Amino acid sequence: DQQVKQNSPSLSVQEGRISILNCDYTNSMFDYFLWYKKYPAEGPTFLISISSIKDKNEDGRFTVFLNKSAKHLSLHIVPSQPGDSAVYFCAASHYDKVIFGPGTSLSVIP
Amino acid sequence: GAGVSQTPSNKVTEKGKYVELRCDPISGHTALYWYRQSLGQGPEFLIYFQGTGAADDSGLPNDRFFAVRPEGSVSTLKIQRTERGDSAVYLCASSLEGASGELFFGEGSRLTVL
Repeated sequence: DQQVKQNSPSLSVQEGRISILNCDYTNSMFDYFLWYKKYPAEGPTFLISISSIKDKNEDGRFTVFLNKSAKHLSLHIVPSQPGDSAVYFCAASHYDKVIFGPGTSLSVIP
Repeated sequence: GAGVSQTPSNKVTEKGKYVELRCDPISGHTALYWYRQSLGQGPEFLIYFQGTGAADDSGLPNDRFFAVRPEGSVSTLKIQRTERGDSAVYLCASSLEGASGELFFGEGSRLTVL
């Protein structure tokens, strides 16, 4: 039973435009939601997070939105840059147990 | 180094053999996690430790898999009687207690079972 879902395996965006990555979850007990970025042959690196009591968190070009009633979150990257090309994992945590989604591969085209 | 260190980076073994994968977390990080990642999939939770004890081992797939962290620092993931389906990248991560999911990952140990 997949608790964290990312239904788009891949996404392609032009440089300078907005990238929107989506994530759905099933467990209402999650208290933090996170996005990680992964380059080939490297471990995932933390990007941004949001507490379940908030609906938006912003850090530079990255913004995460949380819709608890829909059990949905999204990551917006504006403007997208070629260096943003990577696999993005959505993750959710409860009592320090962190569950990851399957990932979305983002390609930013120059 | 200052990051999470995993050894070996690559391990090729034969079906039925025993394997140990080691993780050296960031100094001072009390929580340590093991994940398994297969091609095209996200990291699959296996186990996490708070200090020396396993706080949650619900992700270990069967009793061939076992992990220890005897002194609350270095951890070893042990796989007995390896099967071809165990082939994957095994990722280790560490964090401060109460870090709300902000994990620091190593580069992983790629296991290939022939």
